[in-house]
Amino acid sequence: GAVVSQHPSWVICKSGTSVKIECRSLDFQATTMFWYRQFPKQSLMLMATSNEGSKATYEQGVEKDKFLINHASLTLSTLTVTSAHPEDSSFYICSAFSQAGGDEQYFGPGTRLTVT
Amino acid sequence: AQSVTQLGSHVSVSEGALVLLRCNYSSSVPPYLFWYVQYPNQGLQLLLKYTTGATLVKGINGFEAEFKKSETSFHLTKPSAHMSDAAEYFCAVSSTRNFGNEKLTFGTGTRLTIIP
Repeated sequence: GAVVSQHPSWVICKSGTSVKIECRSLDFQATTMFWYRQFPKQSLMLMATSNEGSKATYEQGVEKDKFLINHASLTLSTLTVTSAHPEDSSFYICSAFSQAGGDEQYFGPGTRLTVT
Repeated sequence: AQSVTQLGSHVSVSEGALVLLRCNYSSSVPPYLFWYVQYPNQGLQLLLKYTTGATLVKGINGFEAEFKKSETSFHLTKPSAHMSDAAEYFCAVSSTRNFGNEKLTFGTGTRLTIIP
């Protein structure tokens, strides 16, 4: 099956700094990538949808200036958490979709962000 | 609006026993329903999906689920649990068949533990 990777898998940063999370589709080209956020014992919540070469579409309540998404190529999307605060600590999961790969989203393993 | 409720955040069954994970949904349009499994430190993997047609859906690893419109349910079952089934299971709903490119709404997940 299709493989999606995320890097880093775990990151700690200080409050006020920015951190970038990468999502890569390793063996297919992803026309669309999704970013989810998961709090402990809660659902995965969609943050934004990004299509290669265009601006991301953010879900209601998600600050686009705080969570910067760049989908610069068909195999890479990045999520940058700017001026991170402790309340941004969470598990961030990406998924990738390609029509050629079948009608399924393929999920990455997630990135655990802790802001101190 | 759509929502998913998974009853029981933790379920324990003995090896060889029946596995039953419950999922109820709410949707204003005909739903498309999915079960995903997440093993530790790995991404979500699609177990099975219901879009249209037969209401009993068979998936990978011996799992199946039945769509019951009258009960707004999509419970996941497996006749005989195996140690390798221990994981987190997520039920999800989408409003369109093109769910690969459409927002998924997830339940809070059920952690399945298998007792030797």
